[in-house]
Amino acid sequence: EVQLLESGGGLVQPGGSLRLSCAASGFIFSSYAMTWVRQAPGKGLEWVSAISGSGDSTYYADSVKGRFTISRDKSTHTLYLQMNSLRAEDTAVYYCAKDRICRDCYSFFDYWGQGTLVTVSS
Amino acid sequence: EIVLTQSPATLSLSPGERATLSCRASQSVSSYLGWYQQKPGQAPRLLIYDASNRATGIPARFSGSGSGTDFTLTISSLEPEDFAVYYCQQRSNWPRTFGQGTKLEIK
Repeated sequence: EVQLLESGGGLVQPGGSLRLSCAASGFIFSSYAMTWVRQAPGKGLEWVSAISGSGDSTYYADSVKGRFTISRDKSTHTLYLQMNSLRAEDTAVYYCAKDRICRDCYSFFDYWGQGTLVTVSS
Repeated sequence: EIVLTQSPATLSLSPGERATLSCRASQSVSSYLGWYQQKPGQAPRLLIYDASNRATGIPARFSGSGSGTDFTLTISSLEPEDFAVYYCQQRSNWPRTFGQGTKLEIK
């Protein structure tokens, strides 16, 4: 059974940093691209970042480019999102999601975690 | 960036009725469009991928159609559990983008 379990969310001051983790199980982790999607309170879905199965290729939304870094650890089957220079507008539930097809496909997301809430406020 | 515009914003229907949701792209995405369902407090669930293919375990009452810039999600006969928010998403270009959502509510 595929499972994705996010952690690391919490309250952080503007300008601060946070690292989110997503522990994956139930599938061959390195065989699938992974993605972070966020959802501000009461708002829609926003794609944030994606990474290839090997970890060699990464992609970012303009809104987080230069501030967020996506990475993955094949030995622990964990996806990460390092978030620096956080702003109030980064407040959201952050979901990790698994690509439906393959390591370099960046297609649609067939499994999602339950989400972790990040609140940026002083 | 490809902008996806969903309509209507809210759709009020009764169980048993047919629902038709629209997603229009600001430029062609070929058939690289998917649909998700999200219920309150839950993560999104993939319904349709590449415009017309049902994801694993999705009931046959859900169907997708379209290509290029205009897409439709149809629910043939609404069940009580279908009332939720629906999002479209494109995988044609970077960055990946979602529509703003259509809320399907009980009339």
